[in-house]
Amino acid sequence: GDSVTQMEGPVTLSEEAFLTINCTYTATGYPSLFWYVQYPGEGLQLLLKATKADDKGSNKGFEATYRKETTSFHLEKGSVQVSDSAVYFCALSEREYGNKLVFGAGTILRVKS
Amino acid sequence: GAVVSQHPSRVICKSGTSVKIECRSLDFQATTMFWYRQFPKQSLMLMATSNEGSKATYEQGVEKDKFLINHASLTLSTLTVTSAHPEDSSFYICSARDFRSNQPQHFGDGTRLSIL
Repeated sequence: GDSVTQMEGPVTLSEEAFLTINCTYTATGYPSLFWYVQYPGEGLQLLLKATKADDKGSNKGFEATYRKETTSFHLEKGSVQVSDSAVYFCALSEREYGNKLVFGAGTILRVKS
Repeated sequence: GAVVSQHPSRVICKSGTSVKIECRSLDFQATTMFWYRQFPKQSLMLMATSNEGSKATYEQGVEKDKFLINHASLTLSTLTVTSAHPEDSSFYICSARDFRSNQPQHFGDGTRLSIL
């Protein structure tokens, strides 16, 4: 079945450091890919998405590019802030807003000032 | 923006009791609601999908008699964990969407269930 693998955390960075959180997937067909973020005490929020190969999703300074050849969707940000501290989930679904989301295990990001 | 409210946020109860968790969409009609379960340091696993007015569709391996789901209105779905036991302790998260709109699922804040 479909699956998503994320790098294990926690990832601890200093403010203004560069962030990469790796995500790779296994799926039949051509899934849509998502990054969700969960801030402390809150629910999951959609951060960005990409629906086809070579699409780049971006939001709030975060970016991720759908790489079909490497089945990857790595999350990057050029300069993290303390407010970016959260848990980040990579996910896929069969279509853009298809019913079933398959999540990675989540990666905790801690940013120190 | 769209908000999904989940209640309670935390519950602790004795083994053998039944626990009901509510999921409400506050400013949109949730034609479809989803229930997820998350174990520590693991992924969110979809348990079931419910459409308003019809029976829920359970994922393979999820006991429908153990996890009763009701979606009687366009703004409310409930998950009842019946005769809960310590192995049912987990973090349960709901999400909701209006399938008539091209919008993603909106998630609740989750319920931490601890069975003693």
